[in-house]
Amino acid sequence: EPEVTQTPSHQVTQMGQEVILRCVPISNHLYFYWYRQILGQKVEFLVSFYNNEISEKSEIFDDQFSVERPDGSNFTLKIRSTKLEDSAMYFCASGRTSNYGYTFGSGTRLTVV
Amino acid sequence: RKEVEQDPGPFNVPEGATVAFNCTYSNSASQSFFWYRQDCRKEPKLLMSVYSSGNEDGRFTAQLNRASQYISLLIRDSKLSDSATYLCVVGTEGFKTIFGAGTRLFVKA
Repeated sequence: EPEVTQTPSHQVTQMGQEVILRCVPISNHLYFYWYRQILGQKVEFLVSFYNNEISEKSEIFDDQFSVERPDGSNFTLKIRSTKLEDSAMYFCASGRTSNYGYTFGSGTRLTVV
Repeated sequence: RKEVEQDPGPFNVPEGATVAFNCTYSNSASQSFFWYRQDCRKEPKLLMSVYSSGNEDGRFTAQLNRASQYISLLIRDSKLSDSATYLCVVGTEGFKTIFGAGTRLFVKA
């Protein structure tokens, strides 16, 4: 069964540093998403990406965040100047269509210290 | 009113029981609806999409009532492996998806 692959599985970073979270979506999927889940809380939408551009973003996705599809297969989330409250599980997801449902990767646990 | 609201539970049921979860959403322009399950510290996994006509997949039945802005999930003949958190998810225009906080289910032997 096709998978969404995320790396690394766990990243520890110092406050103020930049991190890049990487995702390889399923190859024939056209819609890509990033979500985060703070421990014990609900899954929160960050951003959706289609046709090489952001199609929707949440209030959380401010200037600290950016997404990129650098080479047609990878999909990255960059978090600049990390804060303690950025510590969370970050999930990438992809879908064939916008309303069919998405496949999630296993997530990157980001710990900011 | 929360965008997507679910009873957090937990629901504690014996094996073989039938259990139903409900979910309400606030945005009447919502266009797509899903149930996901999430095991502890794992990623959400798509259980089923939900359509106005209702849909069934084995022991699982989902219903959507657009007029009442209400979604339901029925699990029949519960198995131990059904123990998880069930997430109601609503897609709005512009490819934004809103997750409910989830309903926890424990199925006991």
